[in-house]
Amino acid sequence: AQKVTQAQTEISVVEKEDVTLDCVYETRDTTYYLFWYKQPPSGELVFLIRRNSFDEQNEISGRYSWNFQKSTSSFNFTITASQVVDSAVYFCALNIYNFNKFYFGSGTKLNVKP
Amino acid sequence: EAQVTQNPRYLITVTGKKLTVTCSQNMNHEYMSWYRQDPGLGLRQIYYSMNVEVTDKGDVPEGYKVSRKEKRNFPLILESPSPNQTSLYFCASSLPTGAGELFFGEGSRLTVL
Repeated sequence: AQKVTQAQTEISVVEKEDVTLDCVYETRDTTYYLFWYKQPPSGELVFLIRRNSFDEQNEISGRYSWNFQKSTSSFNFTITASQVVDSAVYFCALNIYNFNKFYFGSGTKLNVKP
Repeated sequence: EAQVTQNPRYLITVTGKKLTVTCSQNMNHEYMSWYRQDPGLGLRQIYYSMNVEVTDKGDVPEGYKVSRKEKRNFPLILESPSPNQTSLYFCASSLPTGAGELFFGEGSRLTVL
């Protein structure tokens, strides 16, 4: 069975702090894709990153970075020097290749205070 | 502009009154799907479609129907809505599974009284 767990329900930080959002997934398949989405207070869902299971290279995009570790089935997301605009709910998701279902975690709400 | 359009964005209805939430995409995507978002549960997949006339159940299909008669449209039908279907609904489309990310509509907030 496939499952995505985001154990952190809500995190509060002060602006300029670094923050890491955890994502742990479960699957027995060897080919799969992992995603992160952002849902700001306005409600839309914004794509942040897609990673396939054969690419464990970490990725950095500006203040955002992602750490993919197959050994621990984790795909964690770090925001460096957080800003108020980073306040949102963040979802991690799993998609199994050749199966057409997407599995989302329950989301982590990030509050960045000025 | 590439987009997924859902209508209505907000709807209040009563138990048992059939309703349809429309979804249309202009990206020529084969894959389309519906999700509901509930507090503490994240997004759960209701139905998905790999292409025209090809649909299948997601994790929470009970009480919902879908159809895919045209590539661009994927309506969600609630034949007899009940209060437990009060939720925020999202439609999404993408290239074939895994080839790209999901593009989401803006969401439809449904309240069933």
